[in-house]
Amino acid sequence: DVKVTQSSRYLVKRTGEKVFLECVQDMDHENMFWYRQDPGLGLRLIYFSYDVKMKEKGDIPEGYSVSREKKERFSLILESASTNQTSMYLCASSFTLGLSEAFFGQGTRLTVV
Amino acid sequence: AQTVTQSQPEMSVQEAETVTLSCTYDTSESDYYLFWYKQPPSRQMILVIRQEAYKQQNATENRFSVNFQKAAKSFSLKISDSQLGDAAMYFCAWGGTRGGGADGLTFGKGTHLIIQP
Repeated sequence: DVKVTQSSRYLVKRTGEKVFLECVQDMDHENMFWYRQDPGLGLRLIYFSYDVKMKEKGDIPEGYSVSREKKERFSLILESASTNQTSMYLCASSFTLGLSEAFFGQGTRLTVV
Repeated sequence: AQTVTQSQPEMSVQEAETVTLSCTYDTSESDYYLFWYKQPPSRQMILVIRQEAYKQQNATENRFSVNFQKAAKSFSLKISDSQLGDAAMYFCAWGGTRGGGADGLTFGKGTHLIIQP
């Protein structure tokens, strides 16, 4: 069974902290994504990666960076967390960029206080 | 840029009845996919149904079917014989290439579906 696993379901961090959100997939997918989900705004793409060490900005990359050192792992980094980054973060992976379904993790609800 | 619009923030239907969720999209691409995802309270996004743009036949998965109107850029989801377990947020999504490259799916803002027992 296809699996995308996010390291935490709930996270509380302080303003200014460096935050790492980890995501691992076991499907040998080339492509991985980080989305942010907010009520009334749907899912918005933060960053994606189509290969190891390759990354591309999505629609809302400001305040975030990513790391993909291994094919199965894709990390989202908040260099200095701010309260406006309080949100639900969803990781996904897919076989073919855009033209195939994405498989999602269970989400991390991050609260920055 | 691609956009996906879901005009119904919330829908309510009686159990066992049929409900249709609306979705329109805007793209200049000719080759793309469209998806409906379901997100129950557990937060796990689950693929409900997928439609390839080059296929004229509407996709069907058990009680779920779509009405894909390519010229009108419309992609509605019909749920027949609604069940309590269908209660969830439903997201319409577009997937394809953008400007010669390719990246992630573009999602609508979602429709909250309530099933009345």
